[in-house]
Amino acid sequence: GENVEQHPSTLSVQEGDSAVIKCTYSDSASNYFPWYKQELGKRPQLIIDIRSNVGEKKDQRIAVTLNKTAKHFSLHITETQPEDSAVYFCAAFFQGGSEKLVFGKGTKLTVNP
Amino acid sequence: EAGVVQSPRYKIIEKKQPVAFWCNPISGHNTLYWYLQNLGQGPELLIRYENEEAVDDSQLPKDRFSAERLKGVDSTLKIQPAELGDSAVYLCASSSYRGTNTGELFFGEGSRLTVL
Repeated sequence: GENVEQHPSTLSVQEGDSAVIKCTYSDSASNYFPWYKQELGKRPQLIIDIRSNVGEKKDQRIAVTLNKTAKHFSLHITETQPEDSAVYFCAAFFQGGSEKLVFGKGTKLTVNP
Repeated sequence: EAGVVQSPRYKIIEKKQPVAFWCNPISGHNTLYWYLQNLGQGPELLIRYENEEAVDDSQLPKDRFSAERLKGVDSTLKIQPAELGDSAVYLCASSSYRGTNTGELFFGEGSRLTVL
């Protein structure tokens, strides 16, 4: 079935450290992998995405890596800041049957000053 | 440019009562989604529209949930009757992508439903 596993569920780091969140997906045909950030009581917002024709993408302190063979992708945040504290969701776009974006269960990141 | 607008932001009802949520997508976005987000979970797709057509409603509990998108713009999601387990945030999202192409989804602030 369509499944996205996300780990860890909670992550606490010191300001300035790096944070890594990992996701795996079930469908090898998936071709689009976004990451959304959701602050408490706010809407989810896209922070970075990657398509299956590339292995890595960077945007300032944020990077995403994709391993299609392993069906695994990761979010890397460097030089974390307190304002990075939020819940982060990975997602994968499934194309078999009905096309849909399936989200992981989220990682609550806390950056301690 | 205005984002996705949802109302009401909060709704408290007693079980067995009906409730309706409204969504106005970003202008020009043909694809509209309703997602359900339980506390501590990721969004789960309920229904996806392309223009006024519901192209994926396989996850919508049709015995009590209904949705419509008349004229391919605004959409409403209705629950009748509501059950205790329906307490959640109902997120609307829109996108300029269609079908097998996909890209950024723009979410609304959500409608938080509490069923007592």
